[in-house]
Amino acid sequence: AQKITQTQPGMFVQEKEAVTLDCTYDTSDPSYGLFWYKQPSSGEMIFLIYQGSYDQQNATEGRYSLNFQKARKSANLVISASQLGDSAMYFCAVSYSSNTGKLIFGQGTTLQVKP
Amino acid sequence: DAGVIQSPRHEVTEMGQEVTLRCKPISGHDYLFWYRQTMMRGLELLIYFNNNVPIDDSGMPEDRFSAKMPNASFSTLKIQPSEPRDSAVYFCASSSSGRWVTEAFFGQGTRLTVV
Repeated sequence: AQKITQTQPGMFVQEKEAVTLDCTYDTSDPSYGLFWYKQPSSGEMIFLIYQGSYDQQNATEGRYSLNFQKARKSANLVISASQLGDSAMYFCAVSYSSNTGKLIFGQGTTLQVKP
Repeated sequence: DAGVIQSPRHEVTEMGQEVTLRCKPISGHDYLFWYRQTMMRGLELLIYFNNNVPIDDSGMPEDRFSAKMPNASFSTLKIQPSEPRDSAVYFCASSSSGRWVTEAFFGQGTRLTVV
């Protein structure tokens, strides 16, 4: 079965510092997409960043970047210059079906940013 | 666009009662997903539709659960009869095929409590 693993149930980071949230996945498919979503305490799911399996360069979106290591099957999220508003649950997800948006989610990592 | 709209936001019902959750996807999106989020199991895909047709319902837990999409702008998830273990947050999401990055956009979720 396809499995997404986020090994860090909870993380702390000091405001203004960078933090890396880990994600590994299991697949033999050559084509897939990697996503990160943020879920604040209010409960909504917010799309942050995407990486395609064929993309040569790591994706970046503002303070978010994705450290994609294809051979290791890892797609870690890096948040630079953490802000208090970054405190939330973060989910890594993989889409194995191209162009559908169907996602398999990891268990999530709770990030708390300390002032 | 208003985004994915779910109703109700909160639902409290007694065991044995029928519950209907509603979703209006983003206009023009041709995929619709129902997810369930619990502490124990995380985010699980229950069922998804493409162009109003159910494609994969393998995540639907049992026959008490049913989902319909009578048209492109409306979907329902019904639980009959409801049980306390159905208590969860139910998310509806939609996406548009034909794009390289096909992220799913989530609704605010419906928090269901079965007592």
